[in-house]
Amino acid sequence: DGGITQSPKYLFRKEGQNVTLSCEQNLNHDAMYWYRQDPGQGLRLIYYSQIVNDFQKGDIAEGYSVSREKKESFPLTVTSAQKNPTAFYLCASRGTLTTDTQYFGPGTRLTVL
Amino acid sequence: GQQLNQSPQSMFIQEGEDVSMNCTSSSIFNTWLWYKQDPGEGPVLLIALYKAGELTSNGRLTAQFGITRKDSFLNISASIPSDVGIYFCAGHQGGSEKLVFGKGTKLTVNP
Repeated sequence: DGGITQSPKYLFRKEGQNVTLSCEQNLNHDAMYWYRQDPGQGLRLIYYSQIVNDFQKGDIAEGYSVSREKKESFPLTVTSAQKNPTAFYLCASRGTLTTDTQYFGPGTRLTVL
Repeated sequence: GQQLNQSPQSMFIQEGEDVSMNCTSSSIFNTWLWYKQDPGEGPVLLIALYKAGELTSNGRLTAQFGITRKDSFLNISASIPSDVGIYFCAGHQGGSEKLVFGKGTKLTVNP
């Protein structure tokens, strides 16, 4: 099955710990994105990558880091510097043949205790 | 960052009724996308619009790309309980790698 997978679905961490969220796609898409969603809010862009070994900050990159070592993988690390990390995190990808259309994964809900 | 003006914020309707929601912007967009998000899940693409004036249907859903390229609407006909969820619009501007999103319309359908 082609698609985007995010794991785990639910993640609990203690305050002060870094945590890495996984995003994998087998759609052969070049571009990948990370968004944060808070209750009643739209989607806010954290980081995006148009090509392997390259990525750019989005609107709310502070306290987050990413890597893009492989085309199919774009992990997001939520660091202890992120002041309010509890949120729903969504990964998306976009292929060159689908022009501007982004496809989303199922999301990871991170709760920091 | 920039956001689209999506309205209404929420809707409460009876099963069988038609629904209409829209997104507007002061800027021109090249692409309009409509997504639906169920609770605790990722958004699923419903309809993609690539040309001004384009009217596209997907089952009971119909969406239009405004002729001015600054707006789009989504209609759902004969709503059913599984239409419940949050509907997001998103737009893409030329020269950008990013999508701009609306804040969503939360739809509740009473059986």
